[in-house]
Amino acid sequence: GAGVSQSPSNKVTEKGKDVELRCDPISGHTALYWYRQSLGQGLEFLIYFQGNSAPDKSGLPSDRFSAERTGGSVSTLTIQRTQQEDSAVYLCASSLSRGPDTQYFGPGTRLTVL
Amino acid sequence: QKEVEQNSGPLSVPEGAIASLNCTYSDRGSQSFFWYRQYSGKSPELIMSIYSNGDKEDGRFTAQLNKASQYVSLLIRDSQPSDSATYLCAVNLGGGSEKLVFGKGTKLTVNP
Repeated sequence: GAGVSQSPSNKVTEKGKDVELRCDPISGHTALYWYRQSLGQGLEFLIYFQGNSAPDKSGLPSDRFSAERTGGSVSTLTIQRTQQEDSAVYLCASSLSRGPDTQYFGPGTRLTVL
Repeated sequence: QKEVEQNSGPLSVPEGAIASLNCTYSDRGSQSFFWYRQYSGKSPELIMSIYSNGDKEDGRFTAQLNKASQYVSLLIRDSQPSDSATYLCAVNLGGGSEKLVFGKGTKLTVNP
């Protein structure tokens, strides 16, 4: 079966523009996670969804960042008024149920803010 | 601040040798521990998980956990050039938290 997919694979935008990043989890996976990986940095947790609810948004760095999930499937991460420090690879992961044991990562979206 | 620390490397070992990767974590209440492998330009891939003190072996990989010392390690026996990658240590704090806290990774190079 298909793995986690993300789109676009690359996004170049100008400072101040809004961007939307999409994640399609593995079919049937109820848990979905967003992470960010900046150059030379480890993976940074952003937000976790269980179904359509987000019980943990503690990693979102500012109110410019938001995410939603619909139908218990596709998730969109939106960054408003992008800044250069938002440049990173944004990774999505999904797992069959609660718990981090079986998180499967997508290929990521490389965001570059000029 | 919950932290996971790893030596950034690079760690270089000859083919056939044992590669030893180390990780320390700051939160004594951490419950679950994971090692991910990340090839350059690729997404992380889970290779080992460990939950209790001691050793856990899976093929050429052995994870070791010492909660008293807040230390987790990954040993790769008979290292192969295809093992060359960045290895990420990740910790789940438990207590209902679902998120993983990652170290910055150790870059391993296995020389033929």
